Amino acid sequence: EPEVTQTPSHQVTQMGQEVILRCVPISNHLYFYWYRQILGQKVEFLVSFYNNEISEKSEIFDDQFSVERPDGSNFTLKIRSTKLEDSAMYFCASSGQMNQPQHFGDGTRLSIL
Amino acid sequence: AQSVTQPDIHITVSEGASLELRCNYSYGATPYLFWYVQSPGQGLQLLLKYFSGDTLVQGIKGFEAEFKRSQSSFNLRKPSVHWSDAAEYFCAVGGASSGGSYIPTFGRGTSLIVHP
Repeated sequence: EPEVTQTPSHQVTQMGQEVILRCVPISNHLYFYWYRQILGQKVEFLVSFYNNEISEKSEIFDDQFSVERPDGSNFTLKIRSTKLEDSAMYFCASSGQMNQPQHFGDGTRLSIL
Repeated sequence: AQSVTQPDIHITVSEGASLELRCNYSYGATPYLFWYVQSPGQGLQLLLKYFSGDTLVQGIKGFEAEFKRSQSSFNLRKPSVHWSDAAEYFCAVGGASSGGSYIPTFGRGTSLIVHP
């Protein structure tokens, strides 16, 4: 069964540094998402992306965040100047249609020191 | 605004026992409802979903859930739990948002512990 893959599985970064989290969605999917899960808390929506633009974003997704689909397969989340509170598990997801369930990757654990 | 409540943070059951995980939601229209499971170090795997139709939904791994509109609930059940079912379970509610995307709202999760 096709999978959403995320790299790296664990990223350790110094506070203030830029970090890019990478995702390869399922190949024929059109809708892409990023979520965040701070340790012990619920999964929170960050942003959705369709047709090469952001279709929706949450309050968490401020100016330090950006997303990009640089080619036909990758979907990236960039955090420009990381803060301690950005430490979390970041999940990428994709779906074939807007109202279909999303398929999640295994996540990238981001640790900010 | 939509929301999901999972009232149980932890549930402990013996292997072979039956299981019910509770989920209550708040949503203005007919919701889309989901249960996801998260094993340690892994992503979210969809167990089952309810969009419309039969209110008793069958999922993978022997799980089922029942949509009860009058109680705003979507409880997850399994008649006999296996040790491999130990994981975190998330209920989610969603529907088309004002921006046109479909964004589920997740509950805080229920951690299932299975005793041998």
